[in-house]
Amino acid sequence: GIQVEQSPPDLILQEGANSTLRCNFSDSVNNLQWFHQNPWGQLINLFYIPSGTKQNGRLSATTVATERYSLLYISSSQTTDSGVYFCAVKPLNRDDKIIFGKGTRLHILP
Amino acid sequence: KAGVTQTPRYLIKTRGQQVTLSCSPISGHRSVSWYQQTPGQGLQFLFEYFSETQRNKGNFPGRFSGRQFSNSRSEMNVSTLELGDSALYLCASSDRSGSGRLSYNEQFFGPGTRLTVL
Repeated sequence: GIQVEQSPPDLILQEGANSTLRCNFSDSVNNLQWFHQNPWGQLINLFYIPSGTKQNGRLSATTVATERYSLLYISSSQTTDSGVYFCAVKPLNRDDKIIFGKGTRLHILP
Repeated sequence: KAGVTQTPRYLIKTRGQQVTLSCSPISGHRSVSWYQQTPGQGLQFLFEYFSETQRNKGNFPGRFSGRQFSNSRSEMNVSTLELGDSALYLCASSDRSGSGRLSYNEQFFGPGTRLTVL
């Protein structure tokens, strides 16, 4: 089945720093989402981005479907950005199961 | 619109018991998916229901089952609980319009049910 790899697995940054999280997938997808999981376990939708670029405040995302990767950019990090970031994809040519990556754990230090 | 709701939020059971978790999707959403999250295995797909029919199933034993009602609310049941079933169970809804590779739409997650099996 499709493989979804996120990097880096862990990231520690000072408040105010910028970061780039990456999601690579091994097969064609027709949908991709980025989520932020807060300390209470809630998955918060960040972007629904099967292709192209989107921006929402300090966050932006780019998916290059033909090259099978997506990037999540966080600028001017705040301590509230801490948590785990997941990407999830739906394979194009296989069954309809949604596959999650293992996530990137982000720690923002004050 | 109200978000996805899950009940109960926390649950403690003992081995051998069974448990039923409930999920109410966003109004108008007909697709409900369930996921299990554990530290070791990450987020794994359990099953998806659409219009009261199971559309997809993940690689879980038959002890895990689910159903969907006519109002799109869904329940999942785990029988004969094992210690390894301790996990965060997440439900997601989407306004997926049908089957097929082009029908998937954005998923929205509930707060989850944290199950502890002793």
